[in-house]
Amino acid sequence: DTEVTQTPKHLVMGMTNKKSLKCEQHMGHRAMYWYKQKAKKPPELMFVYSYEKLSINESVPSRFSPECPNSSLLNLHLHALQPEDSALYLCASSQGTLQGRRANTEAFFGQGTRLTVV
Amino acid sequence: KQEVTQIPAALSVPEGENLVLNCSFTDSAIYNLQWFRQDPGKGLTSLLLIQSSQREQTSGRLNASLDKSSGRSTLYIAASQPGDSATYLCAVQGNTGFQKLVFGTGTRLLVSP
Repeated sequence: DTEVTQTPKHLVMGMTNKKSLKCEQHMGHRAMYWYKQKAKKPPELMFVYSYEKLSINESVPSRFSPECPNSSLLNLHLHALQPEDSALYLCASSQGTLQGRRANTEAFFGQGTRLTVV
Repeated sequence: KQEVTQIPAALSVPEGENLVLNCSFTDSAIYNLQWFRQDPGKGLTSLLLIQSSQREQTSGRLNASLDKSSGRSTLYIAASQPGDSATYLCAVQGNTGFQKLVFGTGTRLLVSP
Protein backbone atom coordinates (compact mmCIF):
# COMPACT_ATOMS: atom_id res chain seq x y z
CA ASP A 1 0.00 0.00 0.00
CA THR A 2 1.61 3.27 -1.14
CA GLU A 3 -1.35 5.45 -0.32
CA VAL A 4 -1.33 8.85 1.32
CA THR A 5 -4.86 9.97 2.17
CA GLN A 6 -5.83 13.62 2.49
CA THR A 7 -9.11 15.05 3.76
CA PRO A 8 -11.07 17.00 2.83
CA LYS A 9 -10.67 16.97 -0.96
CA HIS A 10 -12.15 20.45 -1.28
CA LEU A 11 -12.48 23.25 1.29
CA VAL A 12 -13.96 26.72 1.05
CA MET A 13 -13.33 28.97 4.01
CA GLY A 14 -13.74 32.59 4.96
CA MET A 15 -10.87 34.76 6.07
CA THR A 16 -12.00 34.60 9.71
CA ASN A 17 -12.52 30.83 9.82
CA LYS A 18 -10.37 28.18 11.46
CA LYS A 19 -10.06 24.88 9.64
CA SER A 20 -7.70 21.91 9.49
CA LEU A 21 -6.34 19.74 6.71
CA LYS A 22 -5.58 16.12 7.52
CA CYS A 23 -3.13 13.62 6.06
CA GLU A 24 -2.65 9.95 6.89
CA GLN A 25 -0.24 7.22 5.75
CA HIS A 26 0.24 3.63 6.87
CA MET A 27 3.50 2.83 5.09
CA GLY A 28 5.60 3.19 8.24
CA HIS A 29 7.20 6.33 6.85
CA ARG A 30 8.83 8.61 9.41
CA ALA A 31 9.11 11.76 7.26
CA MET A 32 6.00 13.74 6.30
CA TYR A 33 5.66 16.92 4.30
CA TRP A 34 3.29 19.73 3.39
CA TYR A 35 3.60 21.33 -0.05
CA LYS A 36 1.63 24.19 -1.57
CA GLN A 37 0.88 24.32 -5.29
CA LYS A 38 -0.56 27.31 -7.11
CA ALA A 39 -2.20 26.90 -10.51
CA LYS A 40 0.24 25.96 -13.30
CA LYS A 41 3.19 26.11 -10.89
CA PRO A 42 5.29 23.32 -9.34
CA PRO A 43 4.76 22.35 -5.70
CA GLU A 44 6.68 24.36 -3.09
CA LEU A 45 7.76 22.91 0.23
CA MET A 46 6.16 24.34 3.38
CA PHE A 47 7.05 21.99 6.26
CA VAL A 48 8.91 18.75 6.94
CA TYR A 49 8.39 16.51 9.96
CA SER A 50 10.91 13.83 10.81
CA TYR A 51 10.05 11.35 13.57
CA GLU A 52 7.16 13.59 14.60
CA LYS A 53 9.47 16.60 15.05
CA LEU A 54 9.36 19.70 12.85
CA SER A 55 12.65 19.76 10.95
CA ILE A 56 11.99 22.31 8.20
CA ASN A 57 9.77 25.40 8.13
CA GLU A 58 10.24 27.23 4.85
CA SER A 59 9.44 30.64 6.36
CA VAL A 60 5.72 29.94 6.19
CA PRO A 61 3.39 32.58 7.74
CA SER A 62 2.10 31.72 11.21
CA ARG A 63 -1.47 31.54 9.93
CA PHE A 64 -0.41 28.03 8.82
CA SER A 65 0.30 25.78 11.81
CA PRO A 66 1.45 22.18 11.27
CA GLU A 67 1.02 19.37 13.75
CA CYS A 68 2.20 15.76 13.74
CA PRO A 69 0.32 13.92 16.51
CA ASN A 70 1.85 10.53 15.65
CA SER A 71 3.91 8.83 12.98
CA SER A 72 0.90 8.21 10.72
CA LEU A 73 -0.88 11.55 10.91
CA LEU A 74 -0.08 15.07 9.80
CA ASN A 75 -2.37 18.07 10.22
CA LEU A 76 -2.25 21.61 8.89
CA HIS A 77 -4.24 24.09 10.95
CA LEU A 78 -5.45 27.17 9.10
CA HIS A 79 -6.47 30.47 10.66
CA ALA A 80 -7.09 33.96 9.27
CA LEU A 81 -6.06 33.01 5.75
CA GLN A 82 -5.95 35.41 2.82
CA PRO A 83 -7.43 34.89 -0.67
CA GLU A 84 -3.89 34.48 -2.04
CA ASP A 85 -3.54 31.36 0.11
CA SER A 86 -6.00 29.60 -2.19
CA ALA A 87 -4.10 26.66 -3.69
CA LEU A 88 -3.78 22.88 -3.81
CA TYR A 89 -2.22 21.65 -0.58
CA LEU A 90 -0.32 18.40 -0.95
CA CYS A 91 0.85 16.03 1.74
CA ALA A 92 3.70 13.60 1.11
CA SER A 93 5.62 10.98 3.03
CA SER A 94 8.89 9.10 2.66
CA GLN A 95 10.86 6.55 4.62
CA GLY A 96 13.15 9.12 6.16
CA THR A 97 16.39 8.21 7.87
CA LEU A 98 17.25 4.78 9.22
CA GLN A 99 19.70 4.59 12.12
CA GLY A 100 20.99 8.04 11.20
CA ARG A 101 21.52 7.16 7.54
CA ARG A 102 19.30 8.35 4.74
CA ALA A 103 17.09 5.48 3.66
CA ASN A 104 15.09 5.10 0.45
CA THR A 105 13.67 8.58 0.09
CA GLU A 106 11.09 8.02 -2.61
CA ALA A 107 8.27 10.44 -1.85
CA PHE A 108 4.61 9.50 -2.12
CA PHE A 109 1.98 12.19 -2.43
CA GLY A 110 -1.69 12.38 -1.57
CA GLN A 111 -4.40 13.66 -3.89
CA GLY A 112 -4.37 17.06 -2.27
CA THR A 113 -6.89 19.43 -0.73
CA ARG A 114 -8.17 22.17 -3.03
CA LEU A 115 -8.48 25.20 -0.72
CA THR A 116 -10.41 28.33 -1.66
CA VAL A 117 -10.31 31.33 0.67
CA VAL A 118 -13.16 33.79 0.17
CA LYS B 1 20.29 27.57 -4.89
CA GLN B 2 19.11 24.60 -6.94
CA GLU B 3 17.06 25.46 -10.01
CA VAL B 4 15.28 22.83 -12.07
CA THR B 5 14.02 23.46 -15.60
CA GLN B 6 11.95 21.25 -17.87
CA ILE B 7 11.79 21.47 -21.64
CA PRO B 8 9.47 21.57 -23.46
CA ALA B 9 6.83 23.31 -21.36
CA ALA B 10 4.11 21.68 -23.47
CA LEU B 11 4.06 18.85 -25.97
CA SER B 12 1.31 17.52 -28.22
CA VAL B 13 1.79 14.22 -30.07
CA PRO B 14 -0.37 11.65 -31.86
CA GLU B 15 -0.96 8.31 -30.21
CA GLY B 16 1.80 5.74 -30.72
CA GLU B 17 4.73 8.14 -30.86
CA ASN B 18 7.81 7.72 -28.71
CA LEU B 19 8.74 10.89 -26.88
CA VAL B 20 11.39 12.40 -24.63
CA LEU B 21 10.91 14.86 -21.80
CA ASN B 22 13.91 16.79 -20.51
CA CYS B 23 14.89 17.95 -17.05
CA SER B 24 17.97 20.00 -16.18
CA PHE B 25 19.29 21.10 -12.79
CA THR B 26 21.95 23.63 -11.87
CA ASP B 27 23.60 21.95 -8.85
CA SER B 28 24.95 18.47 -9.60
CA ALA B 29 25.28 17.61 -5.88
CA ILE B 30 22.03 15.65 -5.81
CA TYR B 31 21.03 12.60 -3.76
CA ASN B 32 18.35 11.42 -6.18
CA LEU B 33 15.94 12.51 -8.88
CA GLN B 34 12.29 11.55 -9.06
CA TRP B 35 9.80 11.77 -11.93
CA PHE B 36 6.12 12.36 -11.18
CA ARG B 37 2.91 12.53 -13.14
CA GLN B 38 0.11 14.93 -12.22
CA ASP B 39 -3.40 14.87 -13.67
CA PRO B 40 -5.33 18.19 -13.63
CA GLY B 41 -6.32 19.18 -10.09
CA LYS B 42 -4.93 15.95 -8.64
CA GLY B 43 -1.97 14.89 -6.57
CA LEU B 44 1.39 13.58 -7.78
CA THR B 45 1.99 9.98 -8.77
CA SER B 46 5.56 8.74 -8.46
CA LEU B 47 6.81 7.21 -11.71
CA LEU B 48 10.51 6.56 -11.25
CA LEU B 49 13.23 7.29 -8.71
CA ILE B 50 16.89 7.39 -9.80
CA GLN B 51 19.57 7.40 -7.13
CA SER B 52 22.60 9.59 -7.83
CA SER B 53 24.77 6.49 -8.36
CA GLN B 54 22.43 5.11 -11.04
CA ARG B 55 22.28 6.01 -14.70
CA GLU B 56 18.78 4.82 -15.56
CA GLN B 57 15.60 3.22 -14.31
CA THR B 58 12.82 1.51 -16.25
CA SER B 59 9.18 0.83 -15.48
CA GLY B 60 6.99 -0.56 -18.24
CA ARG B 61 6.96 1.92 -21.15
CA LEU B 62 8.91 4.49 -19.14
CA ASN B 63 12.68 4.86 -19.03
CA ALA B 64 14.44 7.59 -17.10
CA SER B 65 18.14 8.39 -17.44
CA LEU B 66 20.39 10.52 -15.29
CA ASP B 67 23.64 12.31 -16.18
CA LYS B 68 24.53 13.91 -12.88
CA SER B 69 27.73 15.58 -14.03
CA SER B 70 25.95 17.50 -16.79
CA GLY B 71 22.88 18.16 -14.65
CA ARG B 72 20.38 16.42 -16.91
CA SER B 73 17.71 13.74 -16.82
CA THR B 74 15.39 12.50 -19.54
CA LEU B 75 12.10 10.61 -19.34
CA TYR B 76 11.44 8.43 -22.38
CA ILE B 77 7.86 7.31 -23.00
CA ALA B 78 7.44 4.54 -25.57
CA ALA B 79 4.33 4.05 -27.69
CA SER B 80 2.42 6.93 -26.12
CA GLN B 81 -1.30 6.54 -25.33
CA PRO B 82 -4.07 9.11 -24.69
CA GLY B 83 -4.02 8.00 -21.03
CA ASP B 84 -0.46 9.35 -20.78
CA SER B 85 -1.83 12.90 -21.12
CA ALA B 86 -0.84 14.73 -17.92
CA THR B 87 1.79 17.09 -16.54
CA TYR B 88 5.14 15.47 -15.88
CA LEU B 89 7.35 16.89 -13.13
CA CYS B 90 10.91 16.05 -12.22
CA ALA B 91 12.22 16.79 -8.73
CA VAL B 92 15.71 16.62 -7.27
CA GLN B 93 16.81 16.04 -3.72
CA GLY B 94 20.13 17.54 -2.69
CA ASN B 95 22.93 15.98 -0.69
CA THR B 96 22.39 18.57 2.02
CA GLY B 97 19.15 19.81 3.51
CA PHE B 98 16.73 17.32 4.89
CA GLN B 99 14.86 15.61 2.10
CA LYS B 100 13.67 18.77 0.39
CA LEU B 101 12.43 18.12 -3.12
CA VAL B 102 13.00 20.93 -5.63
CA PHE B 103 10.57 20.61 -8.50
CA GLY B 104 10.98 21.46 -12.14
CA THR B 105 8.60 23.68 -14.05
CA GLY B 106 6.77 20.71 -15.60
CA THR B 107 5.91 19.50 -19.11
CA ARG B 108 2.22 19.34 -20.10
CA LEU B 109 1.75 16.37 -22.41
CA LEU B 110 -1.26 15.82 -24.65
CA VAL B 111 -1.51 12.56 -26.58
CA SER B 112 -4.23 12.62 -29.24
CA PRO B 113 -6.08 9.48 -30.37
